[in-house]
Amino acid sequence: KQEVTQIPAALSVPEGENLVLNCSFTDSAIYNLQWFRQDPGKGLTSLLLIQSSQREQTSGRLNASLDKSSGRSTLYIAASQPGDSATYLCAVYTGGFKTIFGAGTRLFVKA
Amino acid sequence: EAGVVQSPRYKIIEKKQPVAFWCNPISGHNTLYWYLQNLGQGPELLIRYENEEAVDDSQLPKDRFSAERLKGVDSTLKIQPAELGDSAVYLCASSAGTGTQETQYFGPGTRLLVL
Repeated sequence: KQEVTQIPAALSVPEGENLVLNCSFTDSAIYNLQWFRQDPGKGLTSLLLIQSSQREQTSGRLNASLDKSSGRSTLYIAASQPGDSATYLCAVYTGGFKTIFGAGTRLFVKA
Repeated sequence: EAGVVQSPRYKIIEKKQPVAFWCNPISGHNTLYWYLQNLGQGPELLIRYENEEAVDDSQLPKDRFSAERLKGVDSTLKIQPAELGDSAVYLCASSAGTGTQETQYFGPGTRLLVL
């Protein structure tokens, strides 16, 4: 059974700091991995999608990497801003068209 | 382009009462998902529709939960009777398909509190 774990569960950093969020999954048989952002009281917004054949994806200040063989992904956020404060979830897309989510990392960026 | 619409946004009911949630996906999206999200957890799939067909309802507690998507567009999720443990956020999402490059677009969710 696929399990997705995110570390740390919560993170507080000062504005301007670069940071890394971690995601691990137990079964490397995935089709893709996505990083989502969730703001309080709102739904999820997709940030980056990495296909299983890819190693990384970049969008603006965000960079996501994927090491499928070791079951790990990281989300790098450069020059963090207070507006980046949210919960970040990773999700893997597995056989049977199932998306398995981690519990998320709650990020707080202090001004 | 309008996103995924859900209503109501909040619902408070007493246990044993019925409750229903409504979702209208993004126009043209054939695939519709209902997820359950408990506090501090990631979403968990309840049911997935391809057009009007429920193709994955393996995680739906069928003794009290039901769902329908009669015309392959909007969908309703019902709980009857509700239990205290059903308090959670119910998220609806849609996608154009189930290919590996398709992303899911989520609605804002319905926050349910069962007293």
